Amino acid sequence: IAGITQAPTSQILAAGRRMTLRCTQDMRHNAMYWYRQDLGLGLRLIHYSNTAGTTGKGEVPDGYSVSRANTDDFPLTLASAVPSQTSVYFCASSDLAGDYNEQFFGPGTRLTVL
Amino acid sequence: GQNIDQPTEMTATEGAIVQINCTYQTSGFNGLFWYQQHAGEAPTFLSYNVLDGLEEKGRFSSFLSRSKGYSYLLLKELQMKDSASYLCAAEDSNYQLIWGAGTKLIIKP
Repeated sequence: IAGITQAPTSQILAAGRRMTLRCTQDMRHNAMYWYRQDLGLGLRLIHYSNTAGTTGKGEVPDGYSVSRANTDDFPLTLASAVPSQTSVYFCASSDLAGDYNEQFFGPGTRLTVL
Repeated sequence: GQNIDQPTEMTATEGAIVQINCTYQTSGFNGLFWYQQHAGEAPTFLSYNVLDGLEEKGRFSSFLSRSKGYSYLLLKELQMKDSASYLCAAEDSNYQLIWGAGTKLIIKP
């Protein structure tokens, strides 16, 4: 692995189903983030983690949960998907000890909830 | 509240120069980022400014005025591959990035 990966690439999901989006980085970054990107809107932060074992809520956390059991992995779970969660989801990571908070992005997961 | 404003779309000609403006309002300020995002792809880092002034990096330059809450990205010698969305993001006092909606840049031959 080089950088940050996400799975699946895309998914169509029935409303009410549970879904976990996976994110893995191999850069040993301490911070990780989940964003959603919708047409006409900026990237909106869902949840973040500044270090393994800790998580925090972003701008739009409702309906989503995360965990950070180790440095590399940061899965995002939709407990009961709804159509308004149709979006492109990006995972990102950064080194908070670096000169500045440059965030590196995964390729994204395109999720459609019907 | 926190807000980032940038134009929705701009059009420019191959070989020309274009300036994309961004104004920001955040709770505290730790720096201003510009990212490039091609359609269907992830954002990639272009530049970071924390002090007032111009930072030049090849064909791309970025400017910051902290007192005015203003930044711009200057792209010179435009190439067709520069057709993309350009995202402005300000880092607030909690080290979170607040993102603009992006400026879609269309390059015409």
